[in-house]
Amino acid sequence: DAGVIQSPRHEVTEMGQEVTLRCKPISGHDYLFWYRQTMMRGLELLIYFNNNVPIDDSGMPEDRFSAKMPNASFSTLKIQPSEPRDSAVYFCASSPPGQGFGNTIYFGEGSWLTVV
Amino acid sequence: AQSVTQLGSHVSVSEGALVLLRCNYSSSVPPYLFWYVQYPNQGLQLLLKYTSAATLVKGINGFEAEFKKSETSFHLTKPSAHMSDAAEYFCAVSDWGNTPLVFGKGTRLSVIA
Repeated sequence: DAGVIQSPRHEVTEMGQEVTLRCKPISGHDYLFWYRQTMMRGLELLIYFNNNVPIDDSGMPEDRFSAKMPNASFSTLKIQPSEPRDSAVYFCASSPPGQGFGNTIYFGEGSWLTVV
Repeated sequence: AQSVTQLGSHVSVSEGALVLLRCNYSSSVPPYLFWYVQYPNQGLQLLLKYTSAATLVKGINGFEAEFKKSETSFHLTKPSAHMSDAAEYFCAVSDWGNTPLVFGKGTRLSVIA
C-alpha cells in the first residue's frame, strides 16, 4: 500500500510568491495532519482534519497560511504571500479511524520549502 | 496542556554500546506516549507506543521504552547500538489519546564505529 504522498518534494520560490503544497493521505485514514519542522521550533502541528473537516487550525502561524481538504484523498497547504521565515520542511501525515490520537500517525516524506 | 522534554539534543554512542534517550512528559491526565524515528531526508515513523497497557513497551529494531508514572518518564533504550540506528528520535505525548500529539524537540543519535 502506498504511504502518504506529498508534492513537491523540494520547492525554491521567491518572497511574495504563492506556494501550494499537496498531500494524498493513505486510503481509509480519516485524520490528516499538516506539520512544519524547523531547527528552531522543532515539529509543530499547523492544522488537522477529521473526515475532511478542519478541526483545529490554531497552529497556523498567520492568515497567509490556509489549508483545504476537498475530499478524502487530497489536501493542500497554501502560503500566500510567502516569506523567507516560512522556509521549513512541511509534513503531511494521516492516521486510521479508531483510538483517536492513540493511533499510529503515518508521515509523508515532506516538502522542503526554501523562500529566498 | 501536555508537553515533552527530551534531555540532550545530541547523543553519541559507540557501536555495540547501550542506547539511552531520555524523555520526560507533562500531562494532566493519563498519557499516551510515543517514540518516532526520522532517518535523513525522510518522514517520521513509529518506533513504539504506550497506551495504558503494559508499562514496558517493545518496538521495532530492538528498541524498548518503559513508562514510569512516578518519574513522568518514558526513556527509550536499546542494548546494543548499530550504525543503522543513527537518526533523529522524537518523543511525543497525547492526553489519554484525546488530544493531538505534542512532540519533543528531538534527539539526534550518532553511532561511532
